[in-house]
Amino acid sequence: IAGITQAPTSQILAAGRRMTLRCTQDMRHNAMYWYRQDLGLGLRLIHYSNTAGTTGKGEVPDGYSVSRANTDDFPLTLASAVPSQTSVYFCASSPGLADRETQYFGPGTRLLVL
Amino acid sequence: AQSVAQPEDQVNVAEGNPLTVKCTYSVSGNPYLFWYVQYPNRGLQFLLKYITGDNLVKGSYGFEAEFNKSQTSFHLKKPSALVSDSALYFCAVRASGGGADGLTFGKGTHLIIQP
Repeated sequence: IAGITQAPTSQILAAGRRMTLRCTQDMRHNAMYWYRQDLGLGLRLIHYSNTAGTTGKGEVPDGYSVSRANTDDFPLTLASAVPSQTSVYFCASSPGLADRETQYFGPGTRLLVL
Repeated sequence: AQSVAQPEDQVNVAEGNPLTVKCTYSVSGNPYLFWYVQYPNRGLQFLLKYITGDNLVKGSYGFEAEFNKSQTSFHLKKPSALVSDSALYFCAVRASGGGADGLTFGKGTHLIIQP
């Protein structure tokens, strides 16, 4: 069982370019999440999805968009990257919709925007 | 709004000694509390969580945490530290009834176990 996979592992991106970070889970979890991790700030929620076909905004959604066409995939798109989006991005999922559910994390994508 | 504070950026402990990583929280209503560990260049791994019931929660790798409602704390503990416990530890909170949006994380505490 792979759990959650993310691609690419790392990327260097020119400012202004469009980039999609991929996230796939094979656990049939309903809920999925995108976080960014920055030194000294911990993890902050970007967007989330309760179930296929629905998405919601987190704490830091500006400059990012998501879609949830099916249960397994939850891509994160940077429409026009800026240097402040340099970060480590983690995708996570949880089995159900309950707030007590444990979230499980992918290995992360390191993004450098120049 | 909910928040988590991890007051120590770094905790140093000698191998074999007990360790404590501190966490306090603020949330409206009943909290659901989580601890995660992150090893270098890896994702976060779930350690344990408090939902309800016994205030002492036992988790993976010999870790445990004690929920204290009056002090709004959820400190992570281990009776005897191992060098392999050295990692970055995150406390996180979610309010009950808050739906399926994300967790609110603390800034993390680096735990360094010295041989």
